[in-house]
Amino acid sequence: AQTVTQSQPEMSVQEAETVTLSCTYDTSESDYYLFWYKQPPSRQMILVIRQEAYKQQNATENRFSVNFQKAAKSFSLKISDSQLGDAAMYFCAYRRTQGGSEKLVFGKGTKLTVNP
Amino acid sequence: DTGVSQDPRHKITKRGQNVTFRCDPISEHNRLYWYRQTLGQGPEFLTYFQNEAQLEKSRLLSDRFSAERPKGSFSTLEIQRTEQGDSAMYLCASSLRVNTEAFFGQGTRLTVV
Repeated sequence: AQTVTQSQPEMSVQEAETVTLSCTYDTSESDYYLFWYKQPPSRQMILVIRQEAYKQQNATENRFSVNFQKAAKSFSLKISDSQLGDAAMYFCAYRRTQGGSEKLVFGKGTKLTVNP
Repeated sequence: DTGVSQDPRHKITKRGQNVTFRCDPISEHNRLYWYRQTLGQGPEFLTYFQNEAQLEKSRLLSDRFSAERPKGSFSTLEIQRTEQGDSAMYLCASSLRVNTEAFFGQGTRLTVV
């Protein structure tokens, strides 16, 4: 079974600085998707960024980028120029690309605090 | 607002009672997912539908849980004979088709007392 591990329960960053959230996963599949989701307090979860395993190039979305290391099964999220609105729970998630199951497998999350 | 809608947002129930939650996905999204999130944990998959067909159920979904999606539109999740361990946030998500982004609702927070 696939597992996703986020080893940092909490992280903090100063406004305008850069922070990196860690995620490792375990799978025997060769093709899959990896995601970072953001869950602000009392608000719905939204997709931050997505990476397809067959793509070597790291995904980037504005201030958010990933460092995808397929051999190491590592998928970290870098937030540049952190803003107060970035404060939230961040979840790393995995999904197979084929074989029927479309479920997302989530890590336990990292709570990010942004200090002014 | 055309996002995923869940009702109610909060539910407090006594142990042993039955509860039903509703999820309205984004229009035309044929895939609908239910997840459960307990305090300090990430969401855990419960079940998903493609149109009206329930294609996968987690082992977390005991016999007390049942989900339906009549006519491939809204979905309901029912928990019978609730237990304190059922206290959690129940999240619904929908996606247009396979391998596209899943959009989440705000969830229904269930408290069993």
